[in-house]
This record gives sequence, structure tokens and C-alpha cells, in this order.
Amino acid sequence: IAGITQAPTSQILAAGRRMTLRCTQDMRHNAMYWYRQDLGLGLRLIHYSNTAGTTGKGEVPDGYSVSRANTDDFPLTLASAVPSQTSVYFCASSDSGHSGANVLTFGAGSRLTVL
Amino acid sequence: GQNIDQPTEMTATEGAIVQINCTYQTSGFNGLFWYQQHAGEAPTFLSYNVLDGLEEKGRFSSFLSRSKGYSYLLLKELQMKDSASYLCAVRDSNYQLIWGAGTKLIIKP
Repeated sequence: IAGITQAPTSQILAAGRRMTLRCTQDMRHNAMYWYRQDLGLGLRLIHYSNTAGTTGKGEVPDGYSVSRANTDDFPLTLASAVPSQTSVYFCASSDSGHSGANVLTFGAGSRLTVL
Repeated sequence: GQNIDQPTEMTATEGAIVQINCTYQTSGFNGLFWYQQHAGEAPTFLSYNVLDGLEEKGRFSSFLSRSKGYSYLLLKELQMKDSASYLCAVRDSNYQLIWGAGTKLIIKP
């Protein structure tokens, strides 16, 4: 089934630990994104990649890093987790480009709790 | 700053019609989106408006007025499965999406 796979689905980790959230898509979309979703707030963009080999910072990039070695994979790393990074993280992809709707397809999300 | 406003929560009755409003103030405008998100699930695309007017898609319609910075999502013949959060998002002049916090729609029998 075409789409986006995120792992893990849920994770609890101690503050200060390193954590990588994995994201893989099989739709050959050029653009990929990482969002966090917190209660009462809109989705906030952490990092994005318009094409393999390039990445950019979103609205809330501090404490996070990404890489885009190939078209399909876009992992998000928390180098040293802090409690304020407790959130639900969504990976998304799109065909990119500035024409048309450029609809986002989202993964199922990764719920992260930092204690 | 950029801002998207939508009601936090709405309640409607099965079979009825509900209108969810969204007002926005953004740096430029390159389209407005509505997504549906069921609890614990991923957002899924509902509609896209870039020109003024009404876009109809089955039981769902979306309206846009760019001069007023306003959109609404209209849901007809409500079903219990329509209970979800509805997210409004605007693409700004930099083609970045600005998201509202979402409207939680509760459908009662």
C-alpha cells in the first residue's frame, strides 16, 4: 500500500537521550516534511526537504536535525531530548512544486514522551 | 505575524448541516486547504481553494473570499463518522503552510 511509514508509533524516553524518528515513503514524492502537533496549536513545521540531498529549517527547528540521503527516507533526530519536545510528530510528503494544490500525505504519527 | 483562526469546538446533530469558519492573516496567499483529522490519526486532505467561490465535493463544500481573508467548510447530511477535527491551512507568499489549531466537530445522534 503506497504511503508513508513512521516508526516508532510511540516512545517514552528520558531527557538527555538521543532519539531518531524514522520516516519512509514509497510514492516517489520529491518533498518531505516533519511537523509537530501539540494540543491547542496548529501543526508546526520543524524541517523540510524539497528534494533528496537538500534540507531546510521550518518554524521550530531548534533541537532537531534531519537528513535526506535518498528520495524515500527522511529521519528526524533529537540529539538530546528535553521535556518540551513531548509531542506527536508527523512526517508528510508531497509532489512539491509551486503549482497546483501540492497536497500533503501524512504518516500515522509518532507519539513521543520525554520525561 | 501570521494567524489562522477557527473555532475550537462545534457540536452538530446527525443528518444536519454545519459550517466551520476560518479567518486568516498571512504574508501573501497561495491557496487555502482543509484537512480532516480523526482522533489519533493522520490529517487527510479534503479541499483546496485558490480562487474566490465555492468548491463542492460530495457532502463537503469549501468557500473562499480572499478579500475578506475568510473561508468556510460546509458539511451536509452529517454522519457520525464526520466526528473529527478539521484543520484550515493557508499557503503564504513563501509557499509555506500556516496551520490553524483545528476545529473539533462533535456529532450527536
